[in-house]
Amino acid sequence: GENVEQHPSTLSVQEGDSAVIKCTYSDSASNYFPWYKQELGKGPQLIIDIRSNVGEKKDQRIAVTLNKTAKHFSLHITETQPEDSAVYFCAASPGGYQKVTFGTGTKLQVIP
Amino acid sequence: GAVVSQHPSRVICKSGTSVKIECRSLDFQATTMFWYRQFPKQSLMLMATSNEGSKATYEQGVEKDKFLINHASLTLSTLTVTSAHPEDSSFYICSARDPLAGRGETQYFGPGTRLLVL
Repeated sequence: GENVEQHPSTLSVQEGDSAVIKCTYSDSASNYFPWYKQELGKGPQLIIDIRSNVGEKKDQRIAVTLNKTAKHFSLHITETQPEDSAVYFCAASPGGYQKVTFGTGTKLQVIP
Repeated sequence: GAVVSQHPSRVICKSGTSVKIECRSLDFQATTMFWYRQFPKQSLMLMATSNEGSKATYEQGVEKDKFLINHASLTLSTLTVTSAHPEDSSFYICSARDPLAGRGETQYFGPGTRLLVL
């Protein structure tokens, strides 16, 4: 089955700096890669996703890149703000109605 | 955007009792819902996939007789933890797939239910 690894497990950045979270996956059949943000005591919230026919996707301060050959994808947050502090999960799926496999999570702390 | 609700948000029960958690998609019809369990500072562990009108598919190691799942309509799935024990204490989160969002893979999560078994 699919195995998704995520690094780093914790990340501290100064407000205004950029943050990068990296994930690798094992199943070459995976072609859908969502990213979720989870605040303490809440459910995960979808923040951005990318499909394998696209190499990069951007939404305001958030961008995701995908290297299908190397089987890795990354989340980039620019101009970080304290409200970006949360746990971020990457995930991978073959798409369609198949299940999603989650990474281990990255706790991001943005220091004011 | 798509909204998924869960009820209750937190529940405390005595060991040996059963607890039912509801998951609703509020503004879309979900043919597929998922139930996850999350321990503190850990990732989400898929417990089962719930399909409307059919039996749920459980992941390996998850006891189907202990975690009863019913997906009776396109907007409601329930998880019942039967004969709960302290080790069942956890954060339970559901998600629902919106078949009309993107190519149908997008999952939207509920806010979670904190279960504490005394």
